[in-house]
Amino acid sequence: NAGVTQTPKFRVLKTGQSMTLLCAQDMNHEYMYWYRQDPGMGLRLIHYSVGEGTTAKGEVPDGYNVSRLKKQNFLLGLESAAPSQTSVYFCASSYVGGGEQFFGPGTRLTVL
Amino acid sequence: AQRVTQPEKLLSVFKGAPVELKCNYSYSGSPELFWYVQYSRQRLQLLLRHISRESIKGFTADLNKGETSFHLKKPFAQEEDSAMYYCALFPPRGGNTGKLIFGQGTTLQVKP
Repeated sequence: NAGVTQTPKFRVLKTGQSMTLLCAQDMNHEYMYWYRQDPGMGLRLIHYSVGEGTTAKGEVPDGYNVSRLKKQNFLLGLESAAPSQTSVYFCASSYVGGGEQFFGPGTRLTVL
Repeated sequence: AQRVTQPEKLLSVFKGAPVELKCNYSYSGSPELFWYVQYSRQRLQLLLRHISRESIKGFTADLNKGETSFHLKKPFAQEEDSAMYYCALFPPRGGNTGKLIFGQGTTLQVKP
């Protein structure tokens, strides 16, 4: 079991560029989440999904879009990257009923 | 409002000293509470949850409903305990989304 994996691990973008971060889980979890982690801000929820084909906004959704076309994958897109989106992005998943979340290794994104 | 507060951004102790990382929450009901740990450049992982009432790596945490606190304690800190610690609350009434409410995190630094 690989658990939760994220691709890529690192990325540098220029302002205005776009990119997609991929999260995959092999635990058959229904729920998936995208967080960003910034110094002094802790973890902030960007978007989440409670099942295949569903998505919902979290605490800081602006500038991001997501898709959950397959149960095991949750994609996070940045259409026009801004320096304020420089952060470490974590994906997580959990089973129905919630509680414990399982995290991926993170993606370190720098926007110049 | 549902909230988790970790009042210390940084806690610095010497090896062998007792450690207490504070966590206070606001929730009208009976939440589930967790402590997550993130070692340097690693993914977040569950350290312990209050319903299991177990000790992990020498850490314990007791839910105090009267004081709405879930402080993390260890009698003798080790250098390998240096990490970022997050307290998180799961509101059972919000179980249809599985969302966790995270505190801002406390960095524990154990000095030799």
